[in-house]
Amino acid sequence: SQQGEEDPQALSIQEGENATMNCSYKTSINNLQWYRQNSGRGLVHLILIRSNEREKHSGRLRVTLDTSKKSSSLLITASRAADTASYFCAALDSNYQLIWGAGTKLIIKP
Amino acid sequence: ETGVTQSPTHLIKTRGQQVTLRCSSQSGHNTVSWYQQALGQGPQFIFQYYREEENGRGNVPPRFSGLQFPNYSSELNVNALELDDSALYLCASSLGGADGYTFGSGTRLTVV
Repeated sequence: SQQGEEDPQALSIQEGENATMNCSYKTSINNLQWYRQNSGRGLVHLILIRSNEREKHSGRLRVTLDTSKKSSSLLITASRAADTASYFCAALDSNYQLIWGAGTKLIIKP
Repeated sequence: ETGVTQSPTHLIKTRGQQVTLRCSSQSGHNTVSWYQQALGQGPQFIFQYYREEENGRGNVPPRFSGLQFPNYSSELNVNALELDDSALYLCASSLGGADGYTFGSGTRLTVV
C-alpha cells in the first residue's frame, strides 16, 4: 500500500499555465524527491529537497517542503505540452528507503 | 557515463514459474533498489542492496529474492509466480542511497 499521498490525482491545464502538485507523507524523512514518469516507463529524477530546506528551484521547477505538516509541493511554471506525464513524490525515510505517493497525472493541453 | 539498464524489457510467464530480472547500475553507483509498480499506482519498494548486502526490504513475500554482484549489478528473482505479480519492475541505482536515484526503463512482467 502507498504510504504517501498526492493530490490532485489528475490535473489538466492549458499550455503556458502553472501546475501545482501536492504531496503528504507519514514518516520522518532525510529528503523528499520528485520524479516524472512517461507512459509507464522508467522514472526520471527531477529535484531533491533536504529535510532542513524549505524551498528549492531548478529551472521551471519550484519545490517546497513543510516538515511540520509533512507535506511538499511541486510547481511547474509556464507549462509545455512536453510536461505531460505522471509526477511522483518519494520520501527518503530514516532507513534510506523511498516511500512513494500514488502520483499526479498531468495533462497539458496545447 | 552509462545509465541503468534492465533486461528483458518485456516478459510473459505462466503462473507457478520462476523469473529472473537483471539490472546494470549506473557507473559509480553502489546502491541498487527494486520496485514493483502496478498499473496506475506508484512504485512499491521491494528491497535494496548496498555493496552486495541487502539493507532494506519492503512488505514482500519470501518468494521475492535478490542479489547484488561485486560490479554492483543486481538480479531480482521471483519464485512461484502469481497473477498479481504482473507489473512493471523498476531498478534504480544511487551512490550511497541518500541522493536521487537513476532509474532503468523497467521490465514489464505479465503472468498468465
